Amino acid sequence: GAGVSQSPRYKVTKRGQDVALRCDPISGHVSLYWYRQALGQGPEFLTYFNYEAQQDKSGLPNDRFSAERPEGSISTLTIQRTEQRDSAMYRCASSLVSGDEQFFGPGTRLTVL
Amino acid sequence: LAKTTQPISMDSYEGQEVNITCSHNNIATNDYITWYQQFPSQGPRFIIQGYKTKVTNEVASLFIPADRKSSTLSLPRVSLSDTAVYYCLVGDVGYGGSQGNLIFGKGTKLSVKP
Repeated sequence: GAGVSQSPRYKVTKRGQDVALRCDPISGHVSLYWYRQALGQGPEFLTYFNYEAQQDKSGLPNDRFSAERPEGSISTLTIQRTEQRDSAMYRCASSLVSGDEQFFGPGTRLTVL
Repeated sequence: LAKTTQPISMDSYEGQEVNITCSHNNIATNDYITWYQQFPSQGPRFIIQGYKTKVTNEVASLFIPADRKSSTLSLPRVSLSDTAVYYCLVGDVGYGGSQGNLIFGKGTKLSVKP
C-alpha cells in the first residue's frame, strides 16, 4: 500500500474488555514497530518485529499486552482486560529493514471507559 | 541508550531561520542522530539523520560538532506549516543499525507565528 494503515482509527471500550488493534505496514517492509503515545508526550516504544519474529518486547507494560505478526506482514496488538490507564494513541510504524527510517501510521485512539 | 535534552518549546516568525539544539552527552560510537517531526493528530515523520559534521536535505540541515555531544537542527525560512513538535533521537538506527526501537523524549514544540 501507499503507507502504513491502522484500524480501527478509534476504539472505545469498557474496562475489562479485550481489544485488538491492527497494523498493515508498507508492502515489503521487514520491520514493524508498535508505540504508545500519551497526550503531550513522545511515542513510547512497545515492541517490534523483523518478518514474523518478535525481536524486542521490552516495552510492553505487562502481560496483558501482546503482539503478533504471523505471516510477516499484518500485525495485531492485543490488550486483554483493558484498564482506564491503557487509554492512549497506539501507533504502528514500519521500516525497510531494522534501524532504517520508520514510517508511521495514523494511529488508533483507544479510550477505555 | 543515550539520553537527549532539548528545549520544551520555541517560538519563531515566518521567514526566519530556526535552530533547535539537542544535547546528547553520552552518545555512543555507533549512534546516529535522527530528527523526527510530528504535526498534531499525525504520526512522527523522519526529517534528517547524521553521524558527524553537516548533513543537508531539501527540508533541513543538521550540524554535528566533532565531539558529537550535541546537534543542531536548522530549518531555513520557516512557514506557519512548520509548526510542529520536533524530536531528537540518538541510537544505532542508521541503515544497518542494530537498534530497532526509537527512544523519543518530549520533543521541542515549535510555534511559527505570522
